Amino acid sequence: SYVLTQISSVSVAPGQTARIPCEGDNIGGKVVHWYQQRPGQAPILVVQNDVGRPAGIPERFAGSNSGNTATLTITRVEAGDEADYFCQVWDYSGNSFVFGSGTTVTVL
Amino acid sequence: QVQLHESGPGLVRPSETLSLTCTVPVGSISTYYWSWIRQSPGKGLEWIGHNAFRGSAKYGPSFRGRVTISVDSSKNQFFLRVTSVTAADTATYFCARDAVRGHWFDSWGQGSLVTVSS
Repeated sequence: SYVLTQISSVSVAPGQTARIPCEGDNIGGKVVHWYQQRPGQAPILVVQNDVGRPAGIPERFAGSNSGNTATLTITRVEAGDEADYFCQVWDYSGNSFVFGSGTTVTVL
Repeated sequence: QVQLHESGPGLVRPSETLSLTCTVPVGSISTYYWSWIRQSPGKGLEWIGHNAFRGSAKYGPSFRGRVTISVDSSKNQFFLRVTSVTAADTATYFCARDAVRGHWFDSWGQGSLVTVSS
């Protein structure tokens, strides 16, 4: 089955930019979605269809996808962005949703 | 986003069946596919499966043969059953709504922690 790989953690100072990679075999040929999960809470969608932002999600959250890596970029990082971030795709060959292992963003 | 609410026992004995219910807003159950997703303590998210009213259920590779997801439109609820549970099934179980226009989840419940222990 399809595998998505994420680094375990990213640390960033307030006001700086956090880049969260999600690697998969030819992931650029798939459609990637991103979720934010704060401690003790349910995930919320922050990027859909590689680059789209749901209503209410700040422009500071941006997605990109090419080759073997999709990336969630958070600009002008705030303390409230501290959370786990998961990438997700639909695997057509396996007929299954697949999540990445998650990246913890720590705001210094 | 809509409000979804999981309910069910917080403790299940090994080898028994885990059963959870998700209640969704009135009038919406017939329109969407509905999923169950779990998160083991300190771990990532794992899709269990989904189903729709008059739809066909699909299950993740790790769960085929052990899981049933069903939908009851009269109650605005959908259900998860996992048979022969072990300690490895201890997790927070989320219900979620599949987006209509793509393969993502646009609404989630708050999650229900289920512990498998004797």
